Amino acid sequence: DGGITQSPKYLFRKEGQNVTLSCEQNLNHDAMYWYRQDPGQGLRLIYYSQIVNDFQKGDIAEGYSVSREKKESFPLTVTSAQKNPTAFYLCASSEVANYEQYFGPGTRLTVT
Amino acid sequence: EDKVVQSPLSLVVHEGDTVTLNCSYEVTNFRSLLWYKQEKKAPTFLFMLTSSGIEKKSGRLSSILDKKELFSILNITATQTGDSAIYLCAVEYYGQNFVFGPGTRLSVLP
Repeated sequence: DGGITQSPKYLFRKEGQNVTLSCEQNLNHDAMYWYRQDPGQGLRLIYYSQIVNDFQKGDIAEGYSVSREKKESFPLTVTSAQKNPTAFYLCASSEVANYEQYFGPGTRLTVT
Repeated sequence: EDKVVQSPLSLVVHEGDTVTLNCSYEVTNFRSLLWYKQEKKAPTFLFMLTSSGIEKKSGRLSSILDKKELFSILNITATQTGDSAIYLCAVEYYGQNFVFGPGTRLSVLP
């Protein structure tokens, strides 16, 4: 079964700790994306990567970091510099950049 | 298990047609339902619905929620080729969690 997996579904961390969210796809897609979904707001783009070893900042990259060492993996690190890290994080991938995106199930991060 | 189902998964119409996209859900402690339009870029937010029976409109697009029957519809009247996109439905539920549907791919032919 091809698809995008994000783990875990729920993640809890203490304030001041960095935390890394996993996103893996076996669709052989070149492009991958990270979004943040908050209540009452639309999806906001954090980072995206069009190809391995390359990534670009989205609209709200501050306090986040990513890596793209492998085509199938695009982990997102929420650093202690992110002022409001508690949110729902959604990963997506697409065959090529700016093409239809396939979404993972999401990870709900709670920082206390 | 919390889930969102969208139908149809794919739809082809001609310009000027009216389309109805469906979104049904099963979640615990529903909070809101969101509709997005996804073209060749990040999804664009269309509507957020929280109350049953109140239609939200934006130009040729409208949407309504039925919390008793657990579904929402998105209507697009007088479709244009620019309406071609994937329409995503997402539901927010207890604890600020979200679940996204698979999307409906709409193709509008000239």
